[in-house]
Amino acid sequence: AQSVTQLGSHVSVSEGALVLLRCNYSSSVPPYLFWYVQYPNQGLQLLLKYTSAATLVKGINGFEAEFKKSETSFHLTKPSAHMSDAAEYFCAVSLGGSYIPTFGRGTSLIVHP
Amino acid sequence: GAGVSQTPSNKVTEKGKYVELRCDPISGHTALYWYRQSLGQGPEFLIYFQGTGAADDSGLPNDRFFAVRPEGSVSTLKIQRTERGDSAVYLCASSQTSGNSPLHFGNGTRLTVT
Repeated sequence: AQSVTQLGSHVSVSEGALVLLRCNYSSSVPPYLFWYVQYPNQGLQLLLKYTSAATLVKGINGFEAEFKKSETSFHLTKPSAHMSDAAEYFCAVSLGGSYIPTFGRGTSLIVHP
Repeated sequence: GAGVSQTPSNKVTEKGKYVELRCDPISGHTALYWYRQSLGQGPEFLIYFQGTGAADDSGLPNDRFFAVRPEGSVSTLKIQRTERGDSAVYLCASSQTSGNSPLHFGNGTRLTVT
């Protein structure tokens, strides 16, 4: 079985501040992990994915995430928030033998000027 | 190239009516997924197609829900005897055949059952 927990339904930061969105997963085998972003009135789009090649994964728009097996975490970070980063962020996990990602509840990122 | 297209973008129907939601995936993508997203929630899996066949339909909530993909491209999600609890955004996604291929999502169909 696989599951995803995103801590914090809303995260609020000031423009220029560090962004940290948390994701913990539960999986009995090595997982594939993804972060998706959903801007207002748009579909979900891929930010980055982890597929066991490297534990630190770089994505689009300056985001990155680090896979930590000991903590079963895949937190998303960005050094400096921009107003355009305001969106809903979803963490997702799928097992190696499954083609069906399970999504977390999402975290709404609010960026203040 | 063109992304995943979903029609209609909005659908309002009365309780008890039948609705069809259409998804046109990215050309060449053999995998197609339907998810449902309620307010404040993440996407909830409904059904997964590999080619023309439903490889996993374990997420369909009951037998009022059915989906087809007859030619391995366009898919239709069908809901019979709609209920107010069916109101949600229905998302379609497609991907290439691989366990770690990312999903490409459409903008969704917002279904409102009155």
